[in-house]
Amino acid sequence: QKEVEQDPGPLSVPEGAIVSLNCTYSNSAFQYFMWYRQYSRKGPELLMYTYSSGNKEDGRFTAQVDKSSKYISLFIRDSQPSDSATYLCAMTPYSSASKIIFGSGTRLSIRP
Amino acid sequence: KAGVTQTPRYLIKTRGQQVTLSCSPISGHRSVSWYQQTPGQGLQFLFEYFSETQRNKGNFPGRFSGRQFSNSRSEMNVSTLELGDSALYLCASSLEPTTNEKLFFGSGTQLSVL
Repeated sequence: QKEVEQDPGPLSVPEGAIVSLNCTYSNSAFQYFMWYRQYSRKGPELLMYTYSSGNKEDGRFTAQVDKSSKYISLFIRDSQPSDSATYLCAMTPYSSASKIIFGSGTRLSIRP
Repeated sequence: KAGVTQTPRYLIKTRGQQVTLSCSPISGHRSVSWYQQTPGQGLQFLFEYFSETQRNKGNFPGRFSGRQFSNSRSEMNVSTLELGDSALYLCASSLEPTTNEKLFFGSGTQLSVL
């Protein structure tokens, strides 16, 4: 069983819809939680960063962490075609940049 | 400010050969990490370098090695290539090792092993 599980999709929604992306994990030591966006033929770019449990909002994006359920979510409001990409959840027990564990990624397509 | 630069972008090799990939971090960044990305396994940590020293290593065989130079540029080498080494190899840089929230990735080197 992988430490981090993420539904690979693909997920296709109409423009303007609310998108919900999720990951579950098994390691209770994870403290730092991240969401990355990866466009085709590009490297991942950090979207959201959360320490421990709670919610964090940045523009159209909201990240939620529920450590009791070992479950994290990313919500995208008013989705745009430019949001079409692969979204990777990531987490680590350490503040160090090393040994971040990534989910396999969910491929998202926003239909105009 | 230039981002993380990886060269070459694409590489085709045959089994048994060796390959060297290069990464130039963002100016001022001293920590460089390497990741392997495949459709089946996703992104997996290879190793991390800081001040020319390997700080951490992932669960990869000894055929995978790396180094960092005094100007923070890094190279990784894969010897005796296998078909399963076909992947996108990503380099990421940060100012310091203890800044996982400021990790910037390059566009990667797509390696195909035939």
